[in-house]
Amino acid sequence: EDKVVQSPLSLVVHEGDTVTLNCSYEVTNFRSLLWYKQEKKAPTFLFMLTSSGIEKKSGRLSSILDKKELFSILNITATQTGDSAIYLCAVGNVGSRLTFGEGTQLTVNP
Amino acid sequence: KAGVTQTPRYLIKTRGQQVTLSCSPISGHRSVSWYQQTPGQGLQFLFEYFSETQRNKGNFPGRFSGRQFSNSRSEMNVSTLELGDSALYLCASSLEGDSQGYTFGSGTRLTVV
Repeated sequence: EDKVVQSPLSLVVHEGDTVTLNCSYEVTNFRSLLWYKQEKKAPTFLFMLTSSGIEKKSGRLSSILDKKELFSILNITATQTGDSAIYLCAVGNVGSRLTFGEGTQLTVNP
Repeated sequence: KAGVTQTPRYLIKTRGQQVTLSCSPISGHRSVSWYQQTPGQGLQFLFEYFSETQRNKGNFPGRFSGRQFSNSRSEMNVSTLELGDSALYLCASSLEGDSQGYTFGSGTRLTVV
């Protein structure tokens, strides 16, 4: 059975801190790993990773995938209160479904 | 362009009742997937519809069913509601069913009392 595990499940930091969120997976026919940010309801897309060792960056957020060790990390530098959200990791295999982790609830305090 | 629209936004039902949720995909998207989100379980895949046919199904009991219409709008039905069905139900649309091209709706919050 496909499985995605995220850690930590929750994290409280102060503005300006750097955070690292972890995602490990066991899936058959791996195709891609995706990160989403969920602030209220609709998850919004952050990154899609398919190749090992290639960092994706968007502003203060970055992510990298290790296909040998079956994990990914999402880094957020210089956190802001607007980064407070649930961060979801999902793995796609061949086909249309995604297997999600439980998510990491990030709270950034001023 | 308009996003994925889910209705209603909130719903309260009693045990034993049934409920129907609606999802209108982005114009031109032919695939609609449904997910259930609960604390502690994350998002779990329910099913996917493409061109009016169920193409993929998750591990949920038969009380959960769905359909898709010719305009790609999809409905999800849950019969004989249980307390454990309380959740946020999210739908996601994509052009051809590629999970890498998902756009999620804002969800329907179902509370079963």
